Amino acid sequence: SQQGEEDPQALSIQEGENATMNCSYKTSINNLQWYRQNSGRGLVHLILIRSNEREKHSGRLRVTLDTSKKSSSLLITASRAADTASYFCATDATGSNYKLTFGKGTLLTVNP
Amino acid sequence: NAGVMQNPRHLVRRRGQEARLRCSPMKGHSHVYWYRQLPEEGLKFMVYLQKENIIDESGMPKERFSAEFPKEGPSILRIQQVVRGDSAAYFCASSPILSFPGGLTNEQYFGPGTRLTVT
Repeated sequence: SQQGEEDPQALSIQEGENATMNCSYKTSINNLQWYRQNSGRGLVHLILIRSNEREKHSGRLRVTLDTSKKSSSLLITASRAADTASYFCATDATGSNYKLTFGKGTLLTVNP
Repeated sequence: NAGVMQNPRHLVRRRGQEARLRCSPMKGHSHVYWYRQLPEEGLKFMVYLQKENIIDESGMPKERFSAEFPKEGPSILRIQQVVRGDSAAYFCASSPILSFPGGLTNEQYFGPGTRLTVT
């Protein structure tokens, strides 16, 4: 698998349900970031979690990081139709914190 | 505080022409990054610039592609003699690099992208 690989590739849920997306990576990292991209648009920064943090919250978002397993999860609670988008995790490797490596993303569809 | 601005949003070029993409970073940001996104793919790093300096261009093809970030004005990504394979979305991001106890964080803020189509 490639650095910053998300799964599942696609996720379809009903409004009000929770959505969980996972990200795995290969090398040691400084930070891990999650971004959202609406179809044909730019990326919106959601949250950054540092390598020495295990969990972080922002509104309806909850991110966890397990550096021993080289994995992260993004939980969106009480989903809304407006959450429909692609979600990407991005990692920056130790020693080059400016170079973000993105996976192919998880396409989340929230049905009203 | 305006976000990262890119123009044009859409650009159509015939094979062999030049494409010039512009990026104005967020106010107060002096670090600029260019990424390319092919259809159904994640973003791929191309180049990292600071004012008047290219810091890392390891992700940029060695031929036909160049980038600059002059002292005044926007950052420019230039693609000469475009080919169909250059068709993609090109995103610019900017950041302040923040220092905190224990290390650096690098939150990058992305522009809306330029969608290049080569016909």
